[in-house]
Amino acid sequence: AQTVTQSQPEMSVQEAETVTLSCTYDTSESDYYLFWYKQPPSRQMILVIRQEAYKQQNATENRFSVNFQKAAKSFSLKISDSQLGDAAMYFCAFQGGSEKLVFGKGTKLTVNP
Amino acid sequence: NAGVTQTPKFRILKIGQSMTLQCTQDMNHNYMYWYRQDPGMGLKLIYYSVGAGITDKGEVPNGYNVSRSTTEDFPLRLELAAPSQTSVYFCASSYSGGVKVQPQHFGDGTRLSIL
Repeated sequence: AQTVTQSQPEMSVQEAETVTLSCTYDTSESDYYLFWYKQPPSRQMILVIRQEAYKQQNATENRFSVNFQKAAKSFSLKISDSQLGDAAMYFCAFQGGSEKLVFGKGTKLTVNP
Repeated sequence: NAGVTQTPKFRILKIGQSMTLQCTQDMNHNYMYWYRQDPGMGLKLIYYSVGAGITDKGEVPNGYNVSRSTTEDFPLRLELAAPSQTSVYFCASSYSGGVKVQPQHFGDGTRLSIL
């Protein structure tokens, strides 16, 4: 079974600075997808970024980018120029051939003004 | 499009009561999912459906039942509610039919407390 590990329960960053959230996963599949979801206090689950395992190029979405290391099974999220609105829980998730998402336990990000 | 709509948003149940959490989507997605999120944890899959009339168990199905009579609706039934089922419940949907995986769209969640 796949597992997703987020080793940082909490992180903090100063506004306008850069922060990196870590995620590792375990799978025997070779073709899969990885996601980062943001959950603000409103409780919504918002897709931040996705990475297809067969693509070597790291995904980017504006201020959000990933460092995908397939051999190391690592998928970290970098947030540049952090904003107060980035404060939230961030969940890393894995989706393989079964179409089911497996989530990590999350990292709570605090942005300090 | 409303996306994925869950009702109710909040509910308090007594131990042993039953209730149904409603979920409907208007995106014509074939896949639908139910997750629960316990405090300080990620989401865990309860049940999922790949199309009308087809459902399957996820990681934590005990104490729950689902049905999928239409593409749009995927209700989750709790029978004999227990305190361990106190959680936030999320419904999600996605389209699967091509090579590229489509991301899941989530509802706003239902906070359920069982006392």
